[in-house]
Amino acid sequence: EAEVAQSPRYKITEKSQAVAFWCDPISGHATLYWYRQILGQGPELLVQFQDESVVDDSQLPKDRFSAERLKGVDSTLKIQPAELGDSAMYLCASGGDGSEQYFGPGTRLTVT
Amino acid sequence: LAKTTQPISMDSYEGQEVNITCSHNNIATNDYITWYQQFPSQGPRFIIQGYKTKVTNEVASLFIPADRKSSTLSLPRVSLSDTAVYYCLVGDGAYNTDKLIFGTGTRLQVFP
Repeated sequence: EAEVAQSPRYKITEKSQAVAFWCDPISGHATLYWYRQILGQGPELLVQFQDESVVDDSQLPKDRFSAERLKGVDSTLKIQPAELGDSAMYLCASGGDGSEQYFGPGTRLTVT
Repeated sequence: LAKTTQPISMDSYEGQEVNITCSHNNIATNDYITWYQQFPSQGPRFIIQGYKTKVTNEVASLFIPADRKSSTLSLPRVSLSDTAVYYCLVGDGAYNTDKLIFGTGTRLQVFP
């Protein structure tokens, strides 16, 4: 069964440093999402792509976060500079023709 | 997008049927009801989706009354591996391009 891949699975960084996460969606899925999940809460959408275009980034803190999906396939989410409050699980999901979203295993970020 | 309300936590024992109810008083005509399951340190996983009446798949059943202001996820004969957080979401989920808005979910603990 095809899966969404994410790397790294875990990342520890110091505040003010730059950090990047990578996501490879299920082949053929045009829609890609990045979510942030703080411990004890549900995931919160950060950005949504349709192919290479951003559809929704209203919840993305654009002063420090950026996301790209240059060729409409894999995607990178970057934080620069990282802050203590950015510690969370970052989840990538993709969607195909159906109504279901498929989530990857996530990247757990710890900012010290 | 309609807001949902569900119990914070539930306990059950192996072999029992578990029913998790979700309230969504402001559900719109076009909205579908979708449930996701999330295990610790994993991304959410789609369980079931419905619009009205009853939907059943190999994992669960979803009961939706005529007024659609609530829904009940039914898990038959739960096992320890069903211990997870369950999220109820409401939106135009017929299309994967719609963002998912997660609440805090219901934490189900299954005991032996």
